Amino acid sequence: EVQLLESGGGLVQPGGSLRLSCAAYGFTFSKYGMSWVRQAPGKGLEYVSRITGSGGSTYYADSVKGRFTISRDNSKNTLYLQMNSLRAEDTALYYCAKRGGTTHYCDYWGQGTLVTVSS
Amino acid sequence: QTVVTQEPSFSVSPGGTVTLTCGLSSGSVSTNSYPSWYQQTPGQAPRTLIYNTDTRSSGVPDRFSGSILGNKAALTITGAQADDESDYYCLLYMGSGISVFGTGTKVTVL
Repeated sequence: EVQLLESGGGLVQPGGSLRLSCAAYGFTFSKYGMSWVRQAPGKGLEYVSRITGSGGSTYYADSVKGRFTISRDNSKNTLYLQMNSLRAEDTALYYCAKRGGTTHYCDYWGQGTLVTVSS
Repeated sequence: QTVVTQEPSFSVSPGGTVTLTCGLSSGSVSTNSYPSWYQQTPGQAPRTLIYNTDTRSSGVPDRFSGSILGNKAALTITGAQADDESDYYCLLYMGSGISVFGTGTKVTVL
């Protein structure tokens, strides 16, 4: 059974940093791309970033480019999102999602970890 | 910046049919956009319904179907049930590794 367990969320001041983790179970982690998707309180879904299975290619939404870094450790079956220069508008529930095969969709989702940026 | 547009809300009667659409502020949606659809109820993670335009994800009832209608992607719910009351989001691939979610549609069954 595929499971994705996010952690690392919390309260951080504007301009601060946070690193999110997503532990993956139940599939061959290195074979699949992974994504981070966020949802601000009461708002819709926003696609934040994705990384290929090897980690060799990464992609970012314009809203986080230059501030967030996605990475993975295939030996630990773990996905990361390093978030720097955090802003109030980064406050959201951050979901980790597994990409479905070689195509452009997410087939499994974690339950999310909440990031609150506030002074 | 291209925006992916969806109807803000729809109301459907139990047993009725509703079609949600997903379009682009500039350009047309095609199968090369790899449209996918997600259902989300309050407090829950999204659930994948449809991918690659019209392929149902495992365990998804066949009352959910996906298609291209004109220049938009579409999700049709045929024979709506009370537990279909949710928010629905589409996701489109824009190329160069980037995907964008639609603005979401709130479906009410009453």
